[in-house]
Amino acid sequence: NAGVTQTPKFQVLKTGQSMTLQCAQDMNHNSMYWYRQDPGMGLRLIYYSASEGTTDKGEVPNGYNVSRLNKREFSLRLESAAPSQTSVYFCASRTASGRNLYEQYFGPGTRLTVT
Amino acid sequence: KQEVTQIPAALSVPEGENLVLNCSFTDSAIYNLQWFRQDPGKGLTSLLLIQSSQREQTSGRLNASLDKSSGRSTLYIAASQPGDSATYLCARNSGGYQKVTFGTGTKLQVIP
Repeated sequence: NAGVTQTPKFQVLKTGQSMTLQCAQDMNHNSMYWYRQDPGMGLRLIYYSASEGTTDKGEVPNGYNVSRLNKREFSLRLESAAPSQTSVYFCASRTASGRNLYEQYFGPGTRLTVT
Repeated sequence: KQEVTQIPAALSVPEGENLVLNCSFTDSAIYNLQWFRQDPGKGLTSLLLIQSSQREQTSGRLNASLDKSSGRSTLYIAASQPGDSATYLCARNSGGYQKVTFGTGTKLQVIP
């Protein structure tokens, strides 16, 4: 199993440009998450999807949109990038059954710089 | 606001030493607590998950404990090795899809 995969690994954008970060998981998890990680602030939840067809805002949703394309894929879109969105973005999915109930699994991250 | 605190922020130890990393949280309502390892420029790797009904979990040289009443979890690393050098994060899940709060991590350096 590949686990959670993310593309691209690195991206540089100019202010105002748009882009979509892609995430896929092959563990048959229902719930998926997008986080951003900034120095000294820990991981903060941007959006999550409890199941295919549903999405909800997390702690810092402004400036982002998401799409849960199917059970495997959950994308994050920046419509008009701003320097404040320079960060490392992580996608995660979570188990919903078994001994390790609600264990989260993370992708390798996308390092985004907005100039 | 529910907070998760990890102290110290950084720790340097000689190889072979046993060490304890701390994670404390302000609200004792907890569903589970997860410990992660993050290498520079990489994603988070799950190390141990402790459910609220459990007191500890073990994996190899790692042992994690949970004390809900005091709002604390500890990660014990036995016989530390240079390969253990990384940032260790804890995450508290108080239930629900968005109720996971992460600490800011302890950066561990094990010196050969």
